[in-house]
Amino acid sequence: GIQVEQSPPDLILQEGANSTLRCNFSDSVNNLQWFHQNPWGQLINLFYIPSGTKQNGRLSATTVATERYSLLYISSSQTTDSGVYFCAEATGGGNKLTFGTGTQLKVEL
Amino acid sequence: SAVISQKPSRDICQRGTSLTIQCQVDSQVTMMFWYRQQPGQSLTLIATANQGSEATYESGFVIDKFPISRPNLTFSTLTVSNMSPEDSSIYLCSVELGLAGVYEQYFGPGTRLTVT
Repeated sequence: GIQVEQSPPDLILQEGANSTLRCNFSDSVNNLQWFHQNPWGQLINLFYIPSGTKQNGRLSATTVATERYSLLYISSSQTTDSGVYFCAEATGGGNKLTFGTGTQLKVEL
Repeated sequence: SAVISQKPSRDICQRGTSLTIQCQVDSQVTMMFWYRQQPGQSLTLIATANQGSEATYESGFVIDKFPISRPNLTFSTLTVSNMSPEDSSIYLCSVELGLAGVYEQYFGPGTRLTVT
């Protein structure tokens, strides 16, 4: 079946630091999304990015579909960036999302 | 995007009982989904809620345990039946929205269930 692996599993940053989160997937994608789950459990959409590069403020993402990975960049991290970051993919023309294993991020003062 | 609400937001239930979770969206959508997130884990798809027909369940999930209703294009319910402590999880509904060929899923705030 589809496998979506994320790294690192855990990350602790000092406020202001930059980081890169990685998502590896096992099949060609027609949908890849990045989410941030805040400490209250709410999933917040960050990017829809099956290919290419997008930027939104301090966050940017790049997906290289031919090599089956996606990267999420967080610059100048803030304590409000803390939480779990998930990538999720849908394949084969379908719309069911398979979620990755997640990266737990903690940003400290 | 869409405004998605879930009721209840949290509940504590006794084993052997059932809980019905509601998901309401502020616009008509074709695709609605239900996910489970066990403590410290990622999200797993339970089923696709189909309007006017039975839900489509993923491997490991059955209708007797997780009956789903989808009476119209803005509403769905998920029931967790005959609960055990292993059912303690966050249950989330999602909807798929399409615009200019981009189909993106958006999630409700979740229902945090504890079974004692």
